[in-house]
Amino acid sequence: EVQLLESGGGLVQSGGSLRLSCAASGLTFSSYAMSWVRQAPGKGLFWVSTIIASGGSTYYADSVKGRFTISRDNSKNTLYLQMKSLRADDTAVYYCAKHDVVITTVAAFDIWGQGTMVTVSS
Amino acid sequence: DIQMTQSPSTLSASVGDRVTITCRASQSISSWLAWYQQKPGKAPKLLIYKASSLKSGVPSKFSGSGSGTEFTLTISSLQPDDFATYYCQQYNSYSWTFGQGTKVEIK
Repeated sequence: EVQLLESGGGLVQSGGSLRLSCAASGLTFSSYAMSWVRQAPGKGLFWVSTIIASGGSTYYADSVKGRFTISRDNSKNTLYLQMKSLRADDTAVYYCAKHDVVITTVAAFDIWGQGTMVTVSS
Repeated sequence: DIQMTQSPSTLSASVGDRVTITCRASQSISSWLAWYQQKPGKAPKLLIYKASSLKSGVPSKFSGSGSGTEFTLTISSLQPDDFATYYCQQYNSYSWTFGQGTKVEIK
């Protein structure tokens, strides 16, 4: 069974940093692009960042560009999101998600983790 | 960036109803559109990909159609388990934008 398990969320002060992890199991992790999606309390889904299967290219939403860094360690089957200069409007549940087609980023997200809550206090 | 607009934002329906949700893209996305179902406190679940392809294991009462800029998700006979929020998502460009969501409520 394919599983994604996020960790690293918590309470942080405005301007602080946090690193999220997403541990994958049950799949050939290195074959799939991966993404982070967040959901502020009571709000909709918002795409944050994507990394290609090899890790060689990354993409970011404008609102996090320059503050967040997505990376992956294919030897550890783990995806990361390093978040810096956090703001109150970054408060959300952060989900990692697997793209449903090998290699390409042009794919829907077929497997999601359970999410990890990040709360930024001002 | 491509903007995705869903309508309606809220839909009140009864068990057994056929319901349709619309999603419009601000520019053509070919058929690179997905639909997700999300229940409170849970992660989203992929229902439809490439506009009309049903994800394996998803009941056939869910169907998707459209291409270009206009898309629909139809649930043929609403059941209690289907009351949830539904999101469309485009994956045509290097920004995987979601619609704002449609909450399907019990009338």
